[in-house]
Amino acid sequence: DAGVIQSPRHEVTEMGQEVTLRCKPISGHNSLFWYRQTMMRGLELLIYFNNNVPIDDSGMPEDRFSAKMPNASFSTLKIQPSEPRDSAVYFCASSTRGDSYNTGELFFGEGSRLTVL
Amino acid sequence: GQQVMQIPQYQHVQEGEDFTTYCNSSTTLSNIQWYKQRPGGHPVFLIQLVKSGEVKKQKRLTFQFGEAKKNSSLHITATQTTDVGTYFCAGQRTGTASKLTFGTGTRLQVTL
Repeated sequence: DAGVIQSPRHEVTEMGQEVTLRCKPISGHNSLFWYRQTMMRGLELLIYFNNNVPIDDSGMPEDRFSAKMPNASFSTLKIQPSEPRDSAVYFCASSTRGDSYNTGELFFGEGSRLTVL
Repeated sequence: GQQVMQIPQYQHVQEGEDFTTYCNSSTTLSNIQWYKQRPGGHPVFLIQLVKSGEVKKQKRLTFQFGEAKKNSSLHITATQTTDVGTYFCAGQRTGTASKLTFGTGTRLQVTL
């Protein structure tokens, strides 16, 4: 079975450019999470969707970041305009649960490593 | 906001030695999960604990959830080089919509 699929795996861009990261969750999973990982801040939850609806976006750093989930099999995280401090590994994860008290096991993709020059 | 701290940040052991990482939450948790991330890899789920005082074992790994449901530990007996990686706890606060907050992580290095 295919796991969570993320693309691109690596992206190098210049400051000011738009970046779009993509994620395909595991089929049948109803919750999707975007995390960002840096040495300084660790693993931070950016946004979480349940049944394609954004539930908690309090972790989205600022208006430059936006995320969508148009259907159950696809999500995007967009940064516009990008800045050097956005450099990080961005992980997408999905789970079969998403109720208020238990996310269940998260299945992570391999991540998208973003470098903004 | 919720904070989840882990100690130590880093530990270097000789193969065969034991290892323990501790996880402490600023708030009471409904459940706690543990993940392992190999260098250059992604977090992989190890286990979930739900009940106060719960203890679970997976071969050489022992996981414990505190009585107050605010702390947890992972103990590895007789480490092997395959145990190398960063171990994260992740807690979900009681009563909140599914926001799983990851701890700061403990990086384990094992040498022969």
